[in-house]
Amino acid sequence: DAGITQSPRHKVTETGTPVTLRCHQTENHRYMYWYRQDPGHGLRLIHYSYGVKDTDKGEVSDGYSVSRSKTEDFLLTLESATSSQTSVYFCAIRLGLAYEQYFGPGTRLTVT
Amino acid sequence: DAKTTQPPSMDCAEGRAANLPCNHSTISGNEYVYWYRQIHSQGPQYIIHGLKNNETNEMASLIITEDRKSSTLILPHATLRDTAVYYCIVREEGNNDMRFGAGTRLTVKP
Repeated sequence: DAGITQSPRHKVTETGTPVTLRCHQTENHRYMYWYRQDPGHGLRLIHYSYGVKDTDKGEVSDGYSVSRSKTEDFLLTLESATSSQTSVYFCAIRLGLAYEQYFGPGTRLTVT
Repeated sequence: DAKTTQPPSMDCAEGRAANLPCNHSTISGNEYVYWYRQIHSQGPQYIIHGLKNNETNEMASLIITEDRKSSTLILPHATLRDTAVYYCIVREEGNNDMRFGAGTRLTVKP
């Protein structure tokens, strides 16, 4: 399972509050990703990281920021949560040059 | 943008081979085909990938046509636990992520 954990696994928060989701890996992989999954949209990339302090935007990055201060942790922050950010969030790591990705168990976020 | 087309749903009898098709008619020569699956409520799971040649691993076989415009994922002996949504993805060169479409919902029936 590539040693990926996500925390929290479930969260309910109110509109306008900041939220941080954590992705942790134990195998020192360089690339890490945050996706969101919504009915009718499949999985969409929010941000990804290609090393410590190196990040880039994905398809749906508005309203999200990320940080990676050490190899094993990739944090996703919603600065001011909105109801449209209610979703299931998946973290992934990439193995090697073949771009295989391994996903964490997901975080279900509900913004009320 | 090499997009893929998959049937929205398929059924398969338990113990039989499940053959999941994917069309990717605009694929470029250096673009790989990847297959993932997602079992309800879990994160997607990598299955297999290939460029030109057929590939096999402990989970499945990937058959890519000679013109590379389509491929088939084969689960040789489907079990109830193979019920999932299966995604065929062509990763564009330069893209660091996987672009997931709607996939095929495979239901394995007893």
